Amino acid sequence: SAVISQKPSRDICQRGTSLTIQCQVDSQVTMMFWYRQQPGQSLTLIATANQGSEATYESGFVIDKFPISRPNLTFSTLTVSNMSPEDSSIYLCSVGVFADSNQPQHFGDGTRLSIL
Amino acid sequence: GQQVMQIPQYQHVQEGEDFTTYCNSSTTLSNIQWYKQRPGGHPVFLIQLVKSGEVKKQKRLTFQFGEAKKNSSLHITATQTTDVGTYFCAGKWGGSNYKLTFGKGTLLTVNP
Repeated sequence: SAVISQKPSRDICQRGTSLTIQCQVDSQVTMMFWYRQQPGQSLTLIATANQGSEATYESGFVIDKFPISRPNLTFSTLTVSNMSPEDSSIYLCSVGVFADSNQPQHFGDGTRLSIL
Repeated sequence: GQQVMQIPQYQHVQEGEDFTTYCNSSTTLSNIQWYKQRPGGHPVFLIQLVKSGEVKKQKRLTFQFGEAKKNSSLHITATQTTDVGTYFCAGKWGGSNYKLTFGKGTLLTVNP
């Protein structure tokens, strides 16, 4: 399966600032996704990162707050903008290798974000 | 929106006991996937079930998909301390939608 590197692994940020999280895959993948996992909770899909076009956001998530880039088939970024303590969470990148809706997703190690 | 309900939320067992977690959808799923997340780790794919009534086994783990494709279960026989973690089901509904909807997960702890 694909090897996924996420940076940073953790960060502590001041409220009102922004942080960009990077997701790098060691091979070309078709699908890239960004999830949020609040402490002790399940995973919630933020958006699907589309190569060369705007990301597809889920209900409750907007581009102004979570801008996403995907310049190629191996890399994506998620920015958490104007952070507040409610944004403290784990942010996970996942990938689907093939253009097949019946396929597993492979996750990066996540970014543990704390907002003071 | 579509949801997958998962129970129980927590399960504590003695090593050697069996464990089962259940997932349920009110509407028919196209497939369901199971993931395991160790404490401090990221979710790791375990299995995917696609067919009605499908049963798959991985060593001590048995996965089932209901006949109506609305429910699924994961059963672990004779738990070991290495089984500790949160088990998530993730459902997908019809069409070419790639979106997975995760259940709330079951946190399994095992007393040695």
